[in-house]
Amino acid sequence: GAVVSQHPSWVICKSGTSVKIECRSLDFQATTMFWYRQFPKQSLMLMATSNEGSKATYEQGVEKDKFLINHASLTLSTLTVTSAHPEDSSFYICSARDGAGAGHEQFFGPGTRLTVL
Amino acid sequence: AQSVAQPEDQVNVAEGNPLTVKCTYSVSGNPYLFWYVQYPNRGLQFLLKYITGDNLVKGSYGFEAEFNKSQTSFHLKKPSALVSDSALYFCAVRDLLTDSWGKLQFGAGTQVVVTP
Repeated sequence: GAVVSQHPSWVICKSGTSVKIECRSLDFQATTMFWYRQFPKQSLMLMATSNEGSKATYEQGVEKDKFLINHASLTLSTLTVTSAHPEDSSFYICSARDGAGAGHEQFFGPGTRLTVL
Repeated sequence: AQSVAQPEDQVNVAEGNPLTVKCTYSVSGNPYLFWYVQYPNRGLQFLLKYITGDNLVKGSYGFEAEFNKSQTSFHLKKPSALVSDSALYFCAVRDLLTDSWGKLQFGAGTQVVVTP
């Protein structure tokens, strides 16, 4: 149980294009999802917290118009990197909390490697 | 605000020897503490957590951790390391006093290298 998927697992795009990454909780309802960014050999940097049916809350320094987050259902959140540039190249990881469970831990997706040329 | 410190960038251990990965934390209220492991180009896998109760917590793959309130530590341990334990380990904390959404603060990570 508690499986989170991400799609795509990797994507290469040209500078200036937009890329959408999907995060799905497969066997539980996720009232809250989180989006992280990770640079090589570094820790996870929380970008935003996404609650179903409401606007995402972005961490300081994260551009909300650059990284659009939509949490339209209890099992799906999407991150769209708009007008991507090479500096947006990174490993993006989502996680989800089981709204019905009392476990408190986050379950992580396998990550999406974004490379912007 | 909460913070997590993992003082070692890398821990080297021979297979079969005990493994310890250190973590200390700072929170305003009571902490929820977690350990995760990450293999190359993968997401994080949950190992164990401390919420309340017994200070010694047992988790997946033979790992355990001890919550020490006086030392504000939550070190991860395994009695006998395997080569397959080589990975990046993250300690994380949630501060119940300041967060209602379940946000986690992660440490910088510790690379564990287990040699045959």
